Amino acid sequence: DADVTQTPRNRITKTGKRIMLECSQTKGHDRMYWYRQDPGLGLRLIYYSFDVKDINKGEISDGYSVSRQAQAKFSLSLESAIPNQTALYFCATSDPKTGSYEQYFGPGTRLTVT
Amino acid sequence: QQQVKQSPQSLIVQKGGISIINCAYENTAFDYFPWYQQFPGKGPALLIAIRPDVSEKKEGRFTISFNKSAKQFSLHIMDSQPGDSATYFCAASLHDFNKFYFGSGTKLNVKP
Repeated sequence: DADVTQTPRNRITKTGKRIMLECSQTKGHDRMYWYRQDPGLGLRLIYYSFDVKDINKGEISDGYSVSRQAQAKFSLSLESAIPNQTALYFCATSDPKTGSYEQYFGPGTRLTVT
Repeated sequence: QQQVKQSPQSLIVQKGGISIINCAYENTAFDYFPWYQQFPGKGPALLIAIRPDVSEKKEGRFTISFNKSAKQFSLHIMDSQPGDSATYFCAASLHDFNKFYFGSGTKLNVKP
């Protein structure tokens, strides 16, 4: 987990506020992902990026935006937070060029929107 | 609509017993089926994975059984231990490994 870090780890915010979740990795991987985890729904893909200039929408991108500032940094923004965006958010990295398809997850950010 | 359906949602097993978690999928183009293990307060971590060209893969006490014709795969944990108590997610990916579709998760509690 130390190779993929997320900040903040916990955040409480109010409806309508803009919030940014940050992810950094030291694994040197090209691919980065943002997921949200909800009880009973598992992990759902929000956005993914294969390099700085390649960003793609996932299953549930509405209400979210992302920025890939560098190979090692991938940020998720909620432009105007709403209560149903309360969830656990995970960043992940992978690099199939290494011969492994494993996704390496960060420790997560617990976001509460009141 | 969830691409991968997982059951049960929760499971209680006695120490030493066998834990079985099942997953089903519809997309026959899926080419890679991993299982992830998540402990409280942590991110998921890869436990074991299988490709559809084999029917079973075993790593220690953990075994994936894969039934291509039924479009189902399952995780078996033999001699379950309290330290196995965690949430388990199955997943599937196409051959390009660009995206992973996760199941809804199973919370396993192994009683001492």
